[in-house]
Amino acid sequence: EAQVTQNPRYLITVTGKKLTVTCSQNMNHEYMSWYRQDPGLGLRQIYYSMNVEVTDKGDVPEGYKVSRKEKRNFPLILESPSPNQTSLYFCASSRDRGHNEQFFGPGTRLTVL
Amino acid sequence: AQKVTQAQTEISVVEKEDVTLDCVYETRDTTYYLFWYKQPPSGELVFLIRRNSFDEQNEISGRYSWNFQKSTSSFNFTITASQVVDSAVYFCALSEAAGNQFYFGTGTSLTVIP
Repeated sequence: EAQVTQNPRYLITVTGKKLTVTCSQNMNHEYMSWYRQDPGLGLRQIYYSMNVEVTDKGDVPEGYKVSRKEKRNFPLILESPSPNQTSLYFCASSRDRGHNEQFFGPGTRLTVL
Repeated sequence: AQKVTQAQTEISVVEKEDVTLDCVYETRDTTYYLFWYKQPPSGELVFLIRRNSFDEQNEISGRYSWNFQKSTSSFNFTITASQVVDSAVYFCALSEAAGNQFYFGTGTSLTVIP
């Protein structure tokens, strides 16, 4: 089954404790992206990747890192999480660039205390 | 400036009514792509439609229809004879051919009352 998976689905952590949210797709998609969803703000793009070793900032990259060492994986790293990073995070992938239908993961709800 | 504006934050309709969700976008590119996604209460994001800027033909899919008007930079979504299952948050989105970013609107929460 074609899908985007994210782990963990739920995470409660404390300020400053480094964490990684994994994202994996099995569709051989070139484009992958991370979004955060906050009430009243919709979805905002954090980082995206056009292909392996190619990443770029979206609208809200501060406080986040990503890497794309393999085509299928695109982890999101919060090196020192803060409460304002409490949010619902979605990973997505699409066939090429960002101009096609994006397939979204189920979401990761992160709470930073 | 917001590239995609969904001015309607929340809409409530009674079942079987028609409802239109507005989407206004802003871009200087001549080639761009517009999307609608649905987020039901379960939380997943479901793709509904993609249009490119060269195709202004309106689209109909069952009870759903989309009206793309470049003259007003709008890509509105109409649900005919709404049903309770249509209750969801709907997002309009834009990507530009010249770039690789993806811009979502803030979403419209639709509640269909039985």
